[in-house]
Amino acid sequence: AQSVAQPEDQVNVAEGNPLTVKCTYSVSGNPYLFWYVQYPNRGLQFLLKYITGDNLVKGSYGFEAEFNKSQTSFHLKKPSALVSDSALYFCAVRDGGGYNKLIFGAGTRLAVHP
Amino acid sequence: GAVVSQHPSRVICKSGTSVKIECRSLDFQATTMFWYRQFPKQSLMLMATSNEGSKATYEQGVEKDKFLINHASLTLSTLTVTSAHPEDSSFYICSANLIQGGLETQYFGPGTRLLVL
Repeated sequence: AQSVAQPEDQVNVAEGNPLTVKCTYSVSGNPYLFWYVQYPNRGLQFLLKYITGDNLVKGSYGFEAEFNKSQTSFHLKKPSALVSDSALYFCAVRDGGGYNKLIFGAGTRLAVHP
Repeated sequence: GAVVSQHPSRVICKSGTSVKIECRSLDFQATTMFWYRQFPKQSLMLMATSNEGSKATYEQGVEKDKFLINHASLTLSTLTVTSAHPEDSSFYICSANLIQGGLETQYFGPGTRLLVL
């Protein structure tokens, strides 16, 4: 069965420093991986996805993610964090069945301090 | 592009009443939409997959008679919580599947917060 794990409940970063939000996955077959961000009392916003091709995927708001097949990881990164990046981040993997069902990780809360 | 709306954004109702939540894809057509439920400080729980013109597919443990889903057009899916009870209070989020170049991405609505008194 497909699954994703986000090992950190919360990540704290100082503004201007690089940030990393971790995600590991377990899939049978080729992984389709996604990152979404959720601000308080809002739905999820799509950041980026990996389907195939370059291992470094660039997304919205300056975020990028690196797909590492050998480590089964898809960590989200940003070179310089902003206070406005503070939010809840979800990693997701496409389920092996039809309809593009997604399986979400538990979420990681990112707190960027001034 | 790829905007999904939900209405209402917030609803308070009395126990025993029914509540309808609408999910619309504003600038694209979606044959498939999804309904999620999110509890405080938790991840999203998929409730059902809504397919235009056919019956929804419910996840295990989700009562189909309790959560009625209708996907009557390529831009609209509705979730009706029937005979709502306080334990149904939650944040309900929909998403619509956008297919571009054969690749699929889910775009999410802003969510609906339901409070049942």
